Amino acid sequence: DVKVTQSSRYLVKRTGEKVFLECVQDMDHENMFWYRQDPGLGLRLIYFSYDVKMKEKGDIPEGYSVSREKKERFSLILESASTNQTSMYLCASSDPGQGYGNEQFFGPGTRLTVL
Amino acid sequence: GQQVMQIPQYQHVQEGEDFTTYCNSSTTLSNIQWYKQRPGGHPVFLIQLVKSGEVKKQKRLTFQFGEAKKNSSLHITATQTTDVGTYFCAGQRGNNRLAFGKGNQVVVIP
Repeated sequence: DVKVTQSSRYLVKRTGEKVFLECVQDMDHENMFWYRQDPGLGLRLIYFSYDVKMKEKGDIPEGYSVSREKKERFSLILESASTNQTSMYLCASSDPGQGYGNEQFFGPGTRLTVL
Repeated sequence: GQQVMQIPQYQHVQEGEDFTTYCNSSTTLSNIQWYKQRPGGHPVFLIQLVKSGEVKKQKRLTFQFGEAKKNSSLHITATQTTDVGTYFCAGQRGNNRLAFGKGNQVVVIP
């Protein structure tokens, strides 16, 4: 079973703080993703990585950066947290080697509140 | 970019009844995936459809992919309380990415 873990389930930070959200997957997947989920807006892709040190911007990358130094770990960084970044953050991974079967496996999510 | 629309956004369903949720794209999709997110949980993959007109069943759930590969539906029969949650469809984008719809939140009335 694929397991995707995220460092915290709940996080409270203050405006202007630097925030790190960590995600680890244990199935040697090449692809990793960061989404944010807000009521009524569904899942919006922030950043995507298809290999170590490789990244691509998603649909809403502003205010975020990412780091992928090891294959199993993908970090999301909020350089200076703002209240409009209060959200649920979901990490996912997938294996491109499955042909069409690129199902994504999600972590439990981190609910971030920025005060 | 590619957008996937889901309707309705919310549904209240009486236990025992059937319901359908729909997914539409403005462009042809190479494949479509469906996910379910239980309240307080994370999205979990249900199924993937690839072929035009494809129909797949999982017990009380029937998934269809339109002939033009621009729409899809999920039909659930004899709704149970365990069907509560948000159902997402997602179309394949380039580079192994998915374009998720906004989801259909389903509430089951006992």
